[in-house]
Amino acid sequence: GAVVSQHPSRVICKSGTSVKIECRSLDFQATTMFWYRQFPKQSLMLMATSNEGSKATYEQGVEKDKFLINHASLTLSTLTVTSAHPEDSSFYICSARDLTAGGETQYFGPGTRLLVL
Amino acid sequence: GQNIDQPTEMTATEGAIVQINCTYQTSGFNGLFWYQQHAGEAPTFLSYNVLDGLEEKGRFSSFLSRSKGYSYLLLKELQMKDSASYLCAVRGAINKLIFGTGTLLAVQP
Repeated sequence: GAVVSQHPSRVICKSGTSVKIECRSLDFQATTMFWYRQFPKQSLMLMATSNEGSKATYEQGVEKDKFLINHASLTLSTLTVTSAHPEDSSFYICSARDLTAGGETQYFGPGTRLLVL
Repeated sequence: GQNIDQPTEMTATEGAIVQINCTYQTSGFNGLFWYQQHAGEAPTFLSYNVLDGLEEKGRFSSFLSRSKGYSYLLLKELQMKDSASYLCAVRGAINKLIFGTGTLLAVQP
């Protein structure tokens, strides 16, 4: 099946710094990717929809200036957490649909665990 | 608004059958998904329903009733490795996948 990768898998940073997370679709092209955040013992919350070649669409309550999304190619989307704070510590997961395979299934990356000290 | 409800926790015995229910109210409907998620890992795809009825895939089956806004995931011949969170997710009108609260299933010997 389709594979989505994320890098890094785990990152620890100091408060106030920025962190970039990459999401790649390895064997298919994804015009749309999705970024989720998951706090401990909670479900996945959609943060934004990343659109190749255009601006991302953010969910209500998600600060677009804090969570910068760039979708520069059909296989890569990046999420940059700017001026990170301890409350941004979470599990960030990206997802993409393989439209060539019928398009129903949405595949998830392995996630990036962010810890802000 | 959008609302997807599941029981928070369930417990079942190894070898038994368990049914995890999901009710939803969303803006538009383009399919319902079930995912399995082990602690600290990303969700893995289990099933997809877009038409009413039962979809069977090995030990796992998923049912959908669009008129009732209801789905269930049925797990048969439970194994210890089935202990995980099970996430119900609905793809709405704008093709965004929205997740329910998740059900933490504990399989006991």
